[in-house]
Amino acid sequence: DTAVSQTPKYLVTQMGNDKSIKCEQNLGHDTMYWYKQDSKKFLKIMFSYNNKELIINETVPNRFSPKSPDKAHLNLHINSLELGDSAVYFCASSQDRVFTEAFFGQGTRLTVV
Amino acid sequence: GEDVEQSLFLSVREGDSSVINCTYTDSSSTYLYWYKQEPGAGLQLLTYIFSNMDMKQDQRLTVLLNKKDKHLSLRIADTQTGDSAIYFCAENDGTPLVFGKGTRLSVIA
Repeated sequence: DTAVSQTPKYLVTQMGNDKSIKCEQNLGHDTMYWYKQDSKKFLKIMFSYNNKELIINETVPNRFSPKSPDKAHLNLHINSLELGDSAVYFCASSQDRVFTEAFFGQGTRLTVV
Repeated sequence: GEDVEQSLFLSVREGDSSVINCTYTDSSSTYLYWYKQEPGAGLQLLTYIFSNMDMKQDQRLTVLLNKKDKHLSLRIADTQTGDSAIYFCAENDGTPLVFGKGTRLSVIA
């Protein structure tokens, strides 16, 4: 009965590869997010989707492409992975755009070698 | 732009109170939050406070908000070793959360 689940939990891949991280929420929330946490633990918003529509797209390389097939899913696809993409990526969801509670997934630790 | 500042480290003895401080710049913040991140885990919402409140208490946690000074604090009473984690302050005004850099709380037995 996990609220926000991400897969995989760990991902090790070589530079230049393309990879995807999946996120699903079973809370019935309208809004989903991707955050990136770097090695210094700084958390930054990357994308936000509301009802399958992109509403926030921060300064992120266009190698990162979010895809929301439905309200409950927001996947993150990364092309041509670089060493600097190594980080922990967190998916989150909230009831709406002005949220009182955001529920976070467990995170996906991406290591690019 | 919006900014949230926290001290990076705090060390306390088991049984003492911990106070984690945070300052923010966005005067239109409607909600302010405290999240906890344990090693290797995701973020867990601990508590939040609406901007028209001064204080909120929830068991061992007390949140104080000084809106005039844009200062938020989290007090943990009777700190336990299980409280060791990184604590993130965050604020929002209708856009996605802006997080502080996190305060690493170490509890010494």
